[in-house]
Amino acid sequence: DQQVKQNSPSLSVQEGRISILNCDYTNSMFDYFLWYKKYPAEGPTFLISISSIKDKNEDGRFTVFLNKSAKHLSLHIVPSQPGDSAVYFCAAIVPTGGGNKLTFGTGTQLKVEL
Amino acid sequence: DTGVSQNPRHKITKRGQNVTFRCDPISEHNRLYWYRQTLGQGPEFLTYFQNEAQLEKSRLLSDRFSAERPKGSFSTLEIQRTEQGDSAMYLCASSLETSPLNGQHFGDGTRLSIL
Repeated sequence: DQQVKQNSPSLSVQEGRISILNCDYTNSMFDYFLWYKKYPAEGPTFLISISSIKDKNEDGRFTVFLNKSAKHLSLHIVPSQPGDSAVYFCAAIVPTGGGNKLTFGTGTQLKVEL
Repeated sequence: DTGVSQNPRHKITKRGQNVTFRCDPISEHNRLYWYRQTLGQGPEFLTYFQNEAQLEKSRLLSDRFSAERPKGSFSTLEIQRTEQGDSAMYLCASSLETSPLNGQHFGDGTRLSIL
């Protein structure tokens, strides 16, 4: 079963506008949420994260919003730039006694057009 | 910080052969993870090491798969008697034993193709 879902496989946005990427989850034990960006032929790169005790975290052009009651989070990129074109993965962590294994969604391909 | 290094980048082999991949994590990172990514999916967790101890294995890791991290430095992932379904990108990640909010650092992966 897919515990982390990204229902939009792709998104196209004009340069300078806001990009909004969405993610839903089903496991209420998830305590931490992260966003990764992936370019072709490269590994995922960590972007931003949020703890379940917060509802917003901002880092430069990137803001993540968390709505725990709806089990929904979103990544806002503003303004969008052509270099932001990549696949974006939402990931979540259930804190256990040891490792922090990531459970990923299926990704959203973002294309920022000139 | 030279990043996480994975070798080889690509591996093509015939069904039934054994393959071994190597991961060199960021030097001060004590945690090392292996993930597998197939087309159209996100990475899926396979296994995790803290130093040299393998502390968790996914049910995706069948008996044909074995991972080691001798001396808590580099790690190897071996697949014995490869099958068509093993074709995937194998990703390694490392992190420090700190807040999960700091994320994991991924290598560029090893792409395995089974003929």
